[in-house]
Amino acid sequence: DSGVTQTPKHLITATGQRVTLRCSPRSGDLSVYWYQQSLDQGLQFLIQYYNGEERAKGNILERFSAQQFPDLHSELNLSSLELGDSALYFCASSAWGQYYGYTFGSGTRLTVV
Amino acid sequence: EDQVTQSPEALRLQEGESSSLNCSYTVSGLRGLFWYRQDPGKGPEFLFTLYSAGEEKEKERLKATLTKKESFLHITAPKPEDSATYLCAVQASRDDKIIFGKGTRLHILP
Repeated sequence: DSGVTQTPKHLITATGQRVTLRCSPRSGDLSVYWYQQSLDQGLQFLIQYYNGEERAKGNILERFSAQQFPDLHSELNLSSLELGDSALYFCASSAWGQYYGYTFGSGTRLTVV
Repeated sequence: EDQVTQSPEALRLQEGESSSLNCSYTVSGLRGLFWYRQDPGKGPEFLFTLYSAGEEKEKERLKATLTKKESFLHITAPKPEDSATYLCAVQASRDDKIIFGKGTRLHILP
């Protein structure tokens, strides 16, 4: 157990629907990062939050949004889902200024049918 | 633009056959270069951080090295349990986000 908790582990939904993925960071970590991993693209950075505020944005679609709450957990909202959104979504956390990389959760596998 | 390129994409080795994985990078001010291991369906697991050219880190059968343009992950006498995807990533000094390469899928045959 890495200390980063992601729920649900698996999610199957239909095109056009909206889903919410949840992440609880490791105790003491203020930064949360979301990544999308598909077979052909590898790990793609989506967005970072630090202590409730957005810090950096990657190639995140407008249909996707995220937030970090006062208790530091984060949610990634995916709407108007398309078949191509099927992927593994990972959350990672780190302490500010940490030079040891991130700690990743076990991911949410999203399948859009 | 920060970029990480890993080669080969896939590598099959016999148990005990040593080899190296390559990671070439372009980044504006390197804060750190990371190696992760990822098993199928699981999150990446941290292996090493390297900060400056000439630095080396070792862990069991793995050794990571760093130059100004690339990093190598050397695998000595690998075992089947070393089979996984190995990811290289860089972090620029200007921000926190880490950019990953697409990984090398390593398969060790018994």
